[in-house]
Amino acid sequence: DVKVTQSSRYLVKRTGEKVFLECVQDMDHENMFWYRQDPGLGLRLIYFSYDVKMKEKGDIPEGYSVSREKKERFSLILESASTNQTSMYLCASRGVPWGGELFFGEGSRLTVL
Amino acid sequence: GQQVMQIPQYQHVQEGEDFTTYCNSSTTLSNIQWYKQRPGGHPVFLIQLVKSGEVKKQKRLTFQFGEAKKNSSLHITATQTTDVGTYFCAGPERSNDYKLSFGAGTTVTVRA
Repeated sequence: DVKVTQSSRYLVKRTGEKVFLECVQDMDHENMFWYRQDPGLGLRLIYFSYDVKMKEKGDIPEGYSVSREKKERFSLILESASTNQTSMYLCASRGVPWGGELFFGEGSRLTVL
Repeated sequence: GQQVMQIPQYQHVQEGEDFTTYCNSSTTLSNIQWYKQRPGGHPVFLIQLVKSGEVKKQKRLTFQFGEAKKNSSLHITATQTTDVGTYFCAGPERSNDYKLSFGAGTTVTVRA
C-alpha cells in the first residue's frame, strides 16, 4: 500500500513565524501535491511538483513556497505565517502524470495565532 | 481557470433512502475522479471515469459521466450509516493535466 506521511498532525504557530510542513511518500511517485482544505471551499491546490526540483503554482500559491530536493519528499513552507493560513493542509502523491488517483496523507491542521 | 461545481453542498438522508450528488464543470473534462472523506479522515479515491456516457457501479454506488464530459453524478441507493462523509469530484484542468481541481464537496449525514 502507498503511504503518504505528513510530519505533523497538529501545529500551533504565531503570526510571522516560518512554518515547515513535511510530506514523504514511499512509492516512488513522481507527482506530489499540496492542497488546503477549508469548510465550504473543498480542496484548493497550492503547489504541485511533477519531478525532483520541479514545481508549479496551483490556484492559491500566495504566501507559500515549496521544496522538492528528493523524489520522496515535498515540503510546504509558510515564510511568514498569517492567521488566514489557519487551515487543514493535505499532501498527496500520484504515480502517473495523467489520470491516476491521488493518495493523500492524514493532513496537518495548522492554527496560526 | 476551470471550476468544478458540486451540488448539493449538504445532503441529509434517511437511512435506507437513495440520493444523488452532482458535479458540473465549466469545461470539457478528459476524466473525472470521485473521492470520499470520512469525518476526521483524509480523501480516499473511489473511482475514475474516462469515457463519454460511462457508468460504473461499486455495490450501492453508481457513478456516471455525462455525454458531453462536462458533468458527473454519484447515486447511492439504500443509504447506510457507513456512507456518512464528504464526497468530492475532481477533474484535470484543460490546459494542464497535472493539475486536478476539486469541487467543494457534498457532505452527507444519515438519520438512522
